[in-house]
Amino acid sequence: TQLLEQSPQFLSIQEGENLTVYCNSSSVFSSLQWYRQEPGEGPVLLVTVVTGGEVKKLKRLTFQFGDARKDSSLHITAAQPGDTGLYLCAGGDNYQLIWGAGTKLIIKP
Amino acid sequence: KAGVTQTPRYLIKTRGQQVTLSCSPISGHRSVSWYQQTPGQGLQFLFEYFSETQRNKGNFPGRFSGRQFSNSRSEMNVSTLELGDSALYLCASSLSGQVYEQYFGPGTRLTVT
Repeated sequence: TQLLEQSPQFLSIQEGENLTVYCNSSSVFSSLQWYRQEPGEGPVLLVTVVTGGEVKKLKRLTFQFGDARKDSSLHITAAQPGDTGLYLCAGGDNYQLIWGAGTKLIIKP
Repeated sequence: KAGVTQTPRYLIKTRGQQVTLSCSPISGHRSVSWYQQTPGQGLQFLFEYFSETQRNKGNFPGRFSGRQFSNSRSEMNVSTLELGDSALYLCASSLSGQVYEQYFGPGTRLTVT
């Protein structure tokens, strides 16, 4: 059974601080995606990474796919209250996504 | 392009009743997936349809069913509702391809009393 473990489960920090959240698996994925979800809404796709070692930047967010394509990290620089939400990672495999349980992030002003 | 739409947004039902939820995917997307999300269990995969055929199925009882129409619109049905079926039901559409990016609707909040 393929599993994606996200850590930490919960993170609460002050505005302006930096943070990193992780998504780990023992399985290899053809692609990995990060989504952000706000309460009562559907997840919104942030980025897709497909190549081992790939790094993508989206403004203050930096996403990295591990060399072996089994893990990924999301780093946020100078976090802002608008970054608050549930961050989900999902690994692509045979037309199905395997989902992590998410990291709930709260940025306090 | 218009995003994924789901109707209704909110629904209150009584135990034992049945419910049908509707999803319209992004134009051109032929794959539709359904998920159940609860605070305790996270995002749980129900099933996925592609070109009117169920291609993948999660581990849910037979009370949960779905279908997809020729225009890619999809419906899911839950019969004999139980209190534990209270959840946010999310629909996501995707282009068929090796990189399986999903675009979600806002969800239907189902409350079973």
